[in-house]
Amino acid sequence: QVQLVESGGGVVQPGKSLRLSCAASGFRFSAYAMHWVRQAPGKGLEWVAAISDDGDYKYYGDSVKGRLTISRDNAKNTLYLQMNSLRAEDTAVYYCTRDPGGYPLAYFVYWGQGTLVTVPS
Amino acid sequence: EIVLTQSPGTLSLSPGERATLSCRASQSVSRNYLAWYQQKPGQAPRLLIFGASSRATGIPDRFSGWGSETDFTLTISRLEPEDFAVYFCQQYGRSPFTFGPGTKVDIK
Repeated sequence: QVQLVESGGGVVQPGKSLRLSCAASGFRFSAYAMHWVRQAPGKGLEWVAAISDDGDYKYYGDSVKGRLTISRDNAKNTLYLQMNSLRAEDTAVYYCTRDPGGYPLAYFVYWGQGTLVTVPS
Repeated sequence: EIVLTQSPGTLSLSPGERATLSCRASQSVSRNYLAWYQQKPGQAPRLLIFGASSRATGIPDRFSGWGSETDFTLTISRLEPEDFAVYFCQQYGRSPFTFGPGTKVDIK
C-alpha cells in the first residue's frame, strides 16, 4: 500500500534553515508528481510546492517563493523540502502528498501523517 | 489567486440526516478542477471527490459532488457517525492551488 512518511520537523529559530524529507513506498515513486501542503495549528490547508515526476518542473505558492525549495531523489524514493529564512508564519504541519499523475495535476490522492515545524515568534 | 469560500462554517446535524456543503469560487474554476477532502482531528486529510463529481477510490456512494464554474456542492446523503469531520474544497485549475477555509460537520 502507498506510504508517505515525513521527517525532519522540529523547532527552529527565525531566519534559520530546515530540510524536510518524505520517504515514499508502495508505488513507483518516479512516475508521480509530488507536493507539499501545510496546515498551521488550528487553521486551514495551504499548498506549498509541487514537483513533476522527473524533477524538471517545480511550482511554488506565493508565500514561499524564493525561500523554500522542493526536490526529489528518485533513486532513493524520497521527496525533500529545503526551508530557508524561516519565519513564524511558516509554523505548520507539513504534509507530503502524491499527485494522480506525473505532471502536477494538483489534487492530492495520498497524504503522509505530517511533520510539525515550529518557528517561535 | 482563486479564493474559495465555504458555507456554512459549521453544520450541526444528527446521524442519518443529509448534509449539504457549499464551496464558491471567486473566479470560474477551469475544467471543474475542484476537489473535496475530509479531515478528522489529528489526521491528515482524505480525498473524497475530484473533478467536482468523481469519487475517489474507496469513498462510499453516500458522498456526492456536483457543480461547475464558481458554485460547487458536496452532499452526504445520510450521515454516518464517522462522517462528522471538517470538509475542505480545493481548486486545482489554476496555480496557486487554493483551499477553502472548511466546513465543520458536527453532531447536533
